[in-house]
Amino acid sequence: AQKVTQTQTSISVVEKTTVTMDCVYETRDSSYFLFWYKQTASGEIVFLIRQDSYKKENATVGHYSLNFQKPKSSIGLIITATQIEDSAVYFCAMSPSNTNKVVFGTGTRLQVLP
Amino acid sequence: DPKIIQKPKYLVAVTGSEKILICEQYLGHNAMYWYRQSAKKPLEFMFSYSYQKLMDNQTASSRFQPQSSKKNHLDLQITALKPDDSATYFCASSQVQGAQDTQYFGPGTRLLVL
Repeated sequence: AQKVTQTQTSISVVEKTTVTMDCVYETRDSSYFLFWYKQTASGEIVFLIRQDSYKKENATVGHYSLNFQKPKSSIGLIITATQIEDSAVYFCAMSPSNTNKVVFGTGTRLQVLP
Repeated sequence: DPKIIQKPKYLVAVTGSEKILICEQYLGHNAMYWYRQSAKKPLEFMFSYSYQKLMDNQTASSRFQPQSSKKNHLDLQITALKPDDSATYFCASSQVQGAQDTQYFGPGTRLLVL
């Protein structure tokens, strides 16, 4: 069975700094896809970035980037130059290649302070 | 304009009643999904549909029945409602079925069963 674990329940940072959120996953599949979503205060779930397991290069989109360490089954999310509006709950998720189901972690609440 | 519409936004129901949650997507996607988010559990996959066919069902209870009248519609009928069904139900869609395609989420329907 697949499992996604986010051990950080809450993080606070000062705006314009860099924050890293941790995520480890468990799967027996050799091919899989990893995602990060954020859930805003209004409850909206927004896709941020993805990493395909067969790609060695870390994905980057805007001020989001990933730290993919396949041997450690780890996919960290890095947000640079944080802004107040980045405050949200961030979910790590995984989908094995032989399924269409996405398994989510429990989320990390990020608070960006002025 | 919203690309995935869920109706209603909020829903209050009495125990034992039946409700239908509506989802329409205007992204031109061929696969649609339902997820549930409750206070006790992280986002949980419920169903996936591809070209209006049920592909995966991870919901143990037959009280939950998805209904697809059109390719871009996937409603969720819940019968014999219980207080434990109280949660936010999210509809999602992707271009094609399969882990390789990113899923995009609707705004959710928050259900409260009294």
